Amino acid sequence: GQQVMQIPQYQHVQEGEDFTTYCNSSTTLSNIQWYKQRPGGHPVFLIQLVKSGEVKKQKRLTFQFGEAKKNSSLHITATQTTDVGTYFCAGLNDYKLSFGAGTTVTVRA
Amino acid sequence: EAGVAQSPRYKIIEKRQSVAFWCNPISGHATLYWYQQILGQGPKLLIQFQNNGVVDDSQLPKDRFSAERLKGVDSTLKIQPAKLEDSAVYLCASSLDRRVGYGYTFGSGTRLTVV
Repeated sequence: GQQVMQIPQYQHVQEGEDFTTYCNSSTTLSNIQWYKQRPGGHPVFLIQLVKSGEVKKQKRLTFQFGEAKKNSSLHITATQTTDVGTYFCAGLNDYKLSFGAGTTVTVRA
Repeated sequence: EAGVAQSPRYKIIEKRQSVAFWCNPISGHATLYWYQQILGQGPKLLIQFQNNGVVDDSQLPKDRFSAERLKGVDSTLKIQPAKLEDSAVYLCASSLDRRVGYGYTFGSGTRLTVV
């Protein structure tokens, strides 16, 4: 079945620094979605990428979808304490959304 | 708009007991999903409904798990009998229509502890 892998599993960031988390799928995807889950919370939808090579920005967050529609990345610039949480990518294929294991982000003030 | 409602928020049961979770999706959302999230892992799809019909239950352990969405609105997920490894957060989500392929709205989840 479809597998979605994310790296790194943990990201410890100094406040103000940038970081990137990566997502890879074993199959070609219809689209890729990103979610954020705060500690003790539930996943909250951030964005969806549909087109090959698509790039979208949300303030300090930049999302990219690979040319082959099998990989994606999330880049956060000037990390803030509000960025703390787990970021999940989720790949949609055959109407089924499969989540990666997530990247858990902690921020050092 | 109101979000996805789930109850209860927490449940503790002994192994071999049964338990049921309830979900009310966003009004007008045709597709409803149940996910299982074990601590430290990403959500795993258990079952997907389009209106009142099951469209994917390939990862549902059917020997002990069952789910229904009789009137195409709210849904219940049942576990009978529960095992220790069923301890997890059970998340319900909904979307406008699975064929549109837009983001899901998740409920707050039910945290199940099996002892």
